[in-house]
Amino acid sequence: GIQVEQSPPDLILQEGANSTLRCNFSDSVNNLQWFHQNPWGQLINLFYIPSGTKQNGRLSATTVATERYSLLYISSSQTTDSGVYFCAVQLLFGNEKLTFGTGTRLTIIP
Amino acid sequence: NAGVTQTPKFRVLKTGQSMTLLCAQDMNHEYMYWYRQDPGMGLRLIHYSVGEGTTAKGEVPDGYNVSRLKKQNFLLGLESAAPSQTSVYFCASRAGGHILEYSNQPQHFGDGTRLSIL
Repeated sequence: GIQVEQSPPDLILQEGANSTLRCNFSDSVNNLQWFHQNPWGQLINLFYIPSGTKQNGRLSATTVATERYSLLYISSSQTTDSGVYFCAVQLLFGNEKLTFGTGTRLTIIP
Repeated sequence: NAGVTQTPKFRVLKTGQSMTLLCAQDMNHEYMYWYRQDPGMGLRLIHYSVGEGTTAKGEVPDGYNVSRLKKQNFLLGLESAAPSQTSVYFCASRAGGHILEYSNQPQHFGDGTRLSIL
């Protein structure tokens, strides 16, 4: 099956810092989503981005489908950004499974 | 704007008991999914449905059954709960028509059900 690798596994930053999270995947996809799982366990949909670049406030994401990676940028981090960030992909012409990476745990220190 | 609603939010069961988790979506989505999330891991697909009256197995289907009698509801059943089924269960839905469509649609998730089996 498709492999999804996220890096770094853990990231600790001071409030106000910027960060880049990476997601590498092993096959062609037609769905890539970034999620933020907050400390209460809720999965927040950040981006649906199988290709291209999108921005939403302090967050932006870029997927280069031909090179099989996606990047999530967080600028001017706030403590509320803490949590686990997941990348999830679905195979092009594959089954319905959304395959999740193991996540990046982000901790923002005041 | 409810989106995807899961009930209950928490439940504790004894080994061997049965229960049903309910997922309801109000977005008229064709596709619905049940995932489980174990500590330190991403989500894994249990079962899914591509439309009313259909169900299919996902990655980890053993010990679970599902039904999709109405388009807006997707039920996940545990007939005889086991401690290995202690997990957080997430339901999701997405729009989409033809199963062979090239372009995809994002999945929208509920808030999860935390289930403990003693």
